[in-house]
Amino acid sequence: QTVVTQEPSLSVSPGGTVTLTCGLSSGSVSTNSYPSWYQQTPGQAPRTLIFKTNARSSGVPDRYSGSILGNKAALTITGAQADDECDYYCALYMGSGVWVFGGGTKVTVL
Amino acid sequence: EVPLVESGGGLVKPGGSLRLSCAASGFSFGNYMMNWVRQAPGKGLEWVSSITGTSSSRYYADSVKGRFTISRDNARNSLYLHMNSLSAEDTAMYYCVRTKTAGPIPWFDPWGQGTLVTVSS
Repeated sequence: QTVVTQEPSLSVSPGGTVTLTCGLSSGSVSTNSYPSWYQQTPGQAPRTLIFKTNARSSGVPDRYSGSILGNKAALTITGAQADDECDYYCALYMGSGVWVFGGGTKVTVL
Repeated sequence: EVPLVESGGGLVKPGGSLRLSCAASGFSFGNYMMNWVRQAPGKGLEWVSSITGTSSSRYYADSVKGRFTISRDNARNSLYLHMNSLSAEDTAMYYCVRTKTAGPIPWFDPWGQGTLVTVSS
């Protein structure tokens, strides 16, 4: 069974930079996994942030960026703001219509 | 205008059944693969099921295979999830989500607001 790993929680200072990662329990994440990232504030539906590894969805500020770092997908928030404090999920496409989400990372801005 | 609106959630007893619906608007519904993604209370997102635009292929997470059936009616711009043999582990917010693509590259966008399913006696 494929498990997608994310840091359970991370903290960042206002104005600082934080990098979230998305890995596979066995193997490497590559662009062929088509990693995407979703942001969710409490009580709200998820919102698409990043698709195709590093493309920002419409209206997403450029302080959010996606990449591949080593064998993982990564989401970097640069110049963190208070409203960046929420949950972030990565999703990997396994092929044949099957997707797997990571467990999510709770980002705290303090 | 909200492009995806779910309905049909509610309280159901263990072993019971429920049908969720998702009304789509503002795009050519039949041209897109559609999905259900769920989130148990306080937990992360879990992909549940996908269906191609023509209903030619359907895909399921192992956790729901054999119990849930995804379907769609393109004439009504509607997506459905038929859920049988429900257990407490199926308690979750269920989101209707479109698959968007750029060539072969898929991602989820947009997301509906969700409908809550609670399985309890």
